[in-house]
Amino acid sequence: EAGVTQFPSHSVIEKGQTVTLRCDPISGHDNLYWYRRVMGKEIKFLLHFVKESKQDESGMPNNRFLAERTGGTYSTLKVQPAELEDSGVYFCASRTGTGVGNEQFFGPGTRLTVL
Amino acid sequence: GQNIDQPTEMTATEGAIVQINCTYQTSGFNGLFWYQQHAGEAPTFLSYNVLDGLEEKGRFSSFLSRSKGYSYLLLKELQMKDSASYLCAVTGFQKLVFGTGTRLLVSP
Repeated sequence: EAGVTQFPSHSVIEKGQTVTLRCDPISGHDNLYWYRRVMGKEIKFLLHFVKESKQDESGMPNNRFLAERTGGTYSTLKVQPAELEDSGVYFCASRTGTGVGNEQFFGPGTRLTVL
Repeated sequence: GQNIDQPTEMTATEGAIVQINCTYQTSGFNGLFWYQQHAGEAPTFLSYNVLDGLEEKGRFSSFLSRSKGYSYLLLKELQMKDSASYLCAVTGFQKLVFGTGTRLLVSP
């Protein structure tokens, strides 16, 4: 069974440009999460989808970030326009079921560098 | 507010035992996870505790005390491949709240 995949693995863009990150969860996982780790800090929650619906987007930093999960399969996270402080590693995770004890499976992350 | 504390870095010798502590203060608690993360890779699940006590899984064990807001991850018979970051994360309402992670360096 394939794990969570993310594309691209690295992205280097200039301030003011747009970047779209993609996450393909494990097949059949209704729950999809986005997290971010900025340099030297802890991994922080961004938002949570259940199928195609946003369950919790309390961690989204501002309206420059837009996440979608049309059809309830893969998800995209768009940053427009990108700022220097958006640099970091963006992780996606997916989970099956509704039990909070079910582990979240993480992807390898997308390293975003904004110059 | 939510606060999770772990030591930043630890060192140990191959074959030894190491204990990584995690203290937490969160609003809402539905369990504590430990993840392992090698540099440049995805965090991978190690353990989940929701009740007080010790959960043992091979060379790794995890302990939880909810009244003290405290957990530890115990690694026995350390191997070089155990050099990694160990992330403590608390779940309250679906999402995970992470500590900064503990970087463990295992030396020969």
